[in-house]
Amino acid sequence: GNSVTQMEGPVTLSEEAFLTINCTYTATGYPSLFWYVQYPGEGLQLLLKATKADDKGSNKGFEATYRKETTSFHLEKGSVQVSDSAVYFCALMFSGGYNKLIFGAGTRLAVHP
Amino acid sequence: DAGVIQSPRHEVTEMGQEVTLRCKPISGHDYLFWYRQTMMRGLELLIYFNNNVPIDDSGMPEDRFSAKMPNASFSTLKIQPSEPRDSAVYFCASSFQGAANYGYTFGSGTRLTVV
Repeated sequence: GNSVTQMEGPVTLSEEAFLTINCTYTATGYPSLFWYVQYPGEGLQLLLKATKADDKGSNKGFEATYRKETTSFHLEKGSVQVSDSAVYFCALMFSGGYNKLIFGAGTRLAVHP
Repeated sequence: DAGVIQSPRHEVTEMGQEVTLRCKPISGHDYLFWYRQTMMRGLELLIYFNNNVPIDDSGMPEDRFSAKMPNASFSTLKIQPSEPRDSAVYFCASSFQGAANYGYTFGSGTRLTVV
């Protein structure tokens, strides 16, 4: 079946460090890929997306590239801030059908000053 | 647009009581999803609707849970009777056909505590 696997957290970094959160997927076809972010006490917000192979999604300094060869969509940021502390969810969706988002388990990021 | 609106933001109730959570999706969105989030189980899809019709309720944990969508602008999730293990944050999300390019929009959630 279709699934998303994320690296386990928590990920703890110092401010200005480089961030990578790994995400790989299993899918029968070529889905759209998403990263959502959940700040403490809030709902999930769309961070970035990519709809086809080799697309790069980017937002707020975060980037992720859709890699079909490795079925991956790793999230990266060059210099994290304390305000980036949140839970990050990788997800996939197929166009058509019933628009069902399949989420990974989430990775908690804690950034310290 | 005000986004997906959920109410109440917080609910504390006693075991055995009926609880009703409410959601107003974004106007024009024809998909609505209910999720539950706990530390132990993470984010779980409970049920989703398309054009007000329930499509998949396989995630609803028990018969104590029910969801309705009487019209395109309103949905409820009801728990009767409530139990302490139902304590969680419940999220509603909406989307539209073609959401593979846009994803979902989530509400801020309802934090339910059953004592």
